[in-house]
Amino acid sequence: EIQLVQSGAEVKKPGESLKISCSGSGYKFFAYWIGWVRQMPGKGLEWMGIIYPQDSDTRYSPSFQGQVTISADKSINTAYLEWSNLRASDTAIYYCARQSIISANAFDIWGRGTVVTVSS
Amino acid sequence: QSVLIQPPSTSGTPGQRVAISCSGSNSNIGTNTVHWYQQLPGTAPKLLIYSNDQRPSGVPDRFSGSKSGTSASLAISALQSEDEADYYCSTWDDNLNGLLFGGGTKVTVL
Repeated sequence: EIQLVQSGAEVKKPGESLKISCSGSGYKFFAYWIGWVRQMPGKGLEWMGIIYPQDSDTRYSPSFQGQVTISADKSINTAYLEWSNLRASDTAIYYCARQSIISANAFDIWGRGTVVTVSS
Repeated sequence: QSVLIQPPSTSGTPGQRVAISCSGSNSNIGTNTVHWYQQLPGTAPKLLIYSNDQRPSGVPDRFSGSKSGTSASLAISALQSEDEADYYCSTWDDNLNGLLFGGGTKVTVL
């Protein structure tokens, strides 16, 4: 079965750092772009960026450039989303998703999401 | 305010047909293919339509997509109670150099 398994929920304080993960299985992880999508409480979907695990080529949304770091370790089929200085406004659900090779920019497989809560 | 404009909500009775619009511009819908996602309450989004009008395996044929110029549309024929969800359109924007999602449309089955 093709799936993306995300790390568990996190509760952090403002100013702390955080790295969440997304592990792929059932397919050639290194050969597909992995994207990250934010969903703030009660709001819509926002594209944060994508990474190609084969060579770690990374593209960021202008809205998130410099705010987060996307990385991947193809040896363990895992992608990461990282913050160095969390803010309360980072409270959201973060989804990783696999980009389809059939249709550009369509995400055909999604993780279940990681809930990140930032509160003092 | 999203660059891709969707109505916030729509509703219908079981068996009815509903349509959701997604309005963009030349730099996004006018140039690139549109995808649609369904997000059931409390779950991750699911790809419903890709490349304007293609259904992934397993998606019922009551869901259909279309695109014309700078607008796209998702239609649900014969609405069912399990279709109650949020629906998002998505496409690339050449000017913003990024992937866009519409603001989402909540479909309520009356």
